[in-house]
Amino acid sequence: LAKTTQPISMDSYEGQEVNITCSHNNIATNDYITWYQQFPSQGPRFIIQGYKTKVTNEVASLFIPADRKSSTLSLPRVSLSDTAVYYCLVGRLIPRDDKIIFGKGTRLHILP
Amino acid sequence: EPEVTQTPSHQVTQMGQEVILRCVPISNHLYFYWYRQILGQKVEFLVSFYNNEISEKSEIFDDQFSVERPDGSNFTLKIRSTKLEDSAMYFCASRSQDRASTNEKLFFGSGTQLSVL
Repeated sequence: LAKTTQPISMDSYEGQEVNITCSHNNIATNDYITWYQQFPSQGPRFIIQGYKTKVTNEVASLFIPADRKSSTLSLPRVSLSDTAVYYCLVGRLIPRDDKIIFGKGTRLHILP
Repeated sequence: EPEVTQTPSHQVTQMGQEVILRCVPISNHLYFYWYRQILGQKVEFLVSFYNNEISEKSEIFDDQFSVERPDGSNFTLKIRSTKLEDSAMYFCASRSQDRASTNEKLFFGSGTQLSVL
């Protein structure tokens, strides 16, 4: 399993763009990158997933450089409700790895 | 959006007692998971389940733990003899895609808070 490293915590202000970078230096060819969000006392919620380059959905963007040794989750114009823990996961693409491991995540705190 | 349902939301038990945590995964999903989260700590993988058998388990998932899909809708986690350190939030999750798919999207329930006294 590729090990991931994220900042323990980050602060930002409402209306700002927030970028959370995850390092995964030993990512394998068959690995993909997934981000989850967790609010207190709730289960994690899928945000976005990608393999390379850029992926965008209605919630976030995911930037993955060519070497894939890191990835950046970008949250546009955050609000107070984006305060949560954000997890970066790296897992095998094919065949699917059923042991899906969460790291310690990044605790994002949005200030008014 | 379809949901994973967990019951009860809170469970209090005495040390040494058996508990069963219940989950109803999303109906067309094929893969099922249990995770736990001790207060203030990370989400820990316990076990994954597919085609009526365990596909992966962690070192936490010892002989005191078992999982079962007793019918077509429920997925349960049993702890045979609870210990104080089993106190945690337990999350059930499910996923629909087959092994060849690139979609790893897990859907989590809202959890069962287990308190062992």
